[in-house]
Amino acid sequence: NAGVTQTPKFRVLKTGQSMTLLCAQDMNHEYMYWYRQDPGMGLRLIHYSVGEGTTAKGEVPDGYNVSRLKKQNFLLGLESAAPSQTSVYFCASSYSSRYTGELFFGEGSRLTVL
Amino acid sequence: GQQLNQSPQSMFIQEGEDVSMNCTSSSIFNTWLWYKQDPGEGPVLLIALYKAGELTSNGRLTAQFGITRKDSFLNISASIPSDVGIYFCAGQSLAGAGSYQLTFGKGTKLSVIP
Repeated sequence: NAGVTQTPKFRVLKTGQSMTLLCAQDMNHEYMYWYRQDPGMGLRLIHYSVGEGTTAKGEVPDGYNVSRLKKQNFLLGLESAAPSQTSVYFCASSYSSRYTGELFFGEGSRLTVL
Repeated sequence: GQQLNQSPQSMFIQEGEDVSMNCTSSSIFNTWLWYKQDPGEGPVLLIALYKAGELTSNGRLTAQFGITRKDSFLNISASIPSDVGIYFCAGQSLAGAGSYQLTFGKGTKLSVIP
């Protein structure tokens, strides 16, 4: 089983460029999430989705947009990248029940903005 | 928002020693979870606790859901080199309208000296 797959794994951008991170899960999970991880900051929630066609803001949503057109995919977009968005991004998914805390994470996408 | 205080931030231990780490909060949670992140990978769920006072083991790992519902601890017995990584606690609470909110601690970085 692939679980949660993120692409790309690594990307270098120049300030002002745009890009999209793709997350795909094959577990038929309702909920999907995008987190960023920075040294000493732990995991911070950017956006999440509780089902196909729905998205919601998390703790640090500014500068990011998301879409969930298909249940298995959750896209994270940066319209105009800034150096402050240099980070490791993790996608995760979970069931839609009291077990929503049991997240399945992808391997991460390391983004550097110059 | 809700915050989790996870301690210690980092620890160096000798192989074979036991390890203890904990998370505390001023907020009440109805679920506590512990994740481990290996270097260069995404976090993986170790233990989920759903009832105050619950004590659960997973191999050499033991975690407890504090009776006040405001804290949790994780113990690792007889540490081995592959225990190296970052351990995250997470607390889940109801956010209203049947939805849940998951809050992560900032992590405990564990190093094991052979």
